[in-house]
Amino acid sequence: ILNVEQSPQSLHVQEGDSTNFTCSFPSSNFYALHWYRWETAKSPEALFVMTLNGDEKKKGRISATLNTKEGYSYLYIKGSQPEDSATYLCASPPSGGTSYGKLTFGQGTILTVHP
Amino acid sequence: EADIYQTPRYLVIGTGKKITLECSQTMGHDKMYWYQQDPGMELHLIHYSYGVNSTEKGDLSSESTVSRIRTEHFPLTLESARPSHTSQYLCASSEPGLARNEQFFGPGTRLTVL
Repeated sequence: ILNVEQSPQSLHVQEGDSTNFTCSFPSSNFYALHWYRWETAKSPEALFVMTLNGDEKKKGRISATLNTKEGYSYLYIKGSQPEDSATYLCASPPSGGTSYGKLTFGQGTILTVHP
Repeated sequence: EADIYQTPRYLVIGTGKKITLECSQTMGHDKMYWYQQDPGMELHLIHYSYGVNSTEKGDLSSESTVSRIRTEHFPLTLESARPSHTSQYLCASSEPGLARNEQFFGPGTRLTVL
């Protein structure tokens, strides 16, 4: 079973701070890396799907990078706002390839942005 | 925005009761999934389906069962609820051709068994 790990488990920042957190995954047989944002009482929503080493994706103040050779991805939030408070999940298909559409998830990073 | 729904959103029930958690999607996706998440832990896949009349056990053993009689509907049933079943249950769907196994999620059902 693929091990996807995220750190830190939780993070508290002040409004306006920039922050980042990490997702690590086995670098062999890499297929894709997904980032999701999960706000309380809502559905997890997809942020990014990353496939190529060196990929950088950006959506507003949130960006992500990917290093498939060393098996990690960083998610950055610039100028955090209270509405960024959520659990951020990363996930990857197990064992490379499509794996019948399955994803293995990390335990998430819980971000709290204080006004 | 994805159209995938789960009911109920919250359920508190006594030990021994039979419960069914509903999941439906209007996107016509063939693949559907059930995840279980305990506080502070990762989402664990407990069931998945490739299409009508197809169901498989996931990576985490579960006493629940699922059925897939219609494409849009993937209910999860616990015949006799126990306190160990207290958890959050998330339903998701996917379609071949979506970006590298991207899944769309429902809002979840938070189950408490007393």
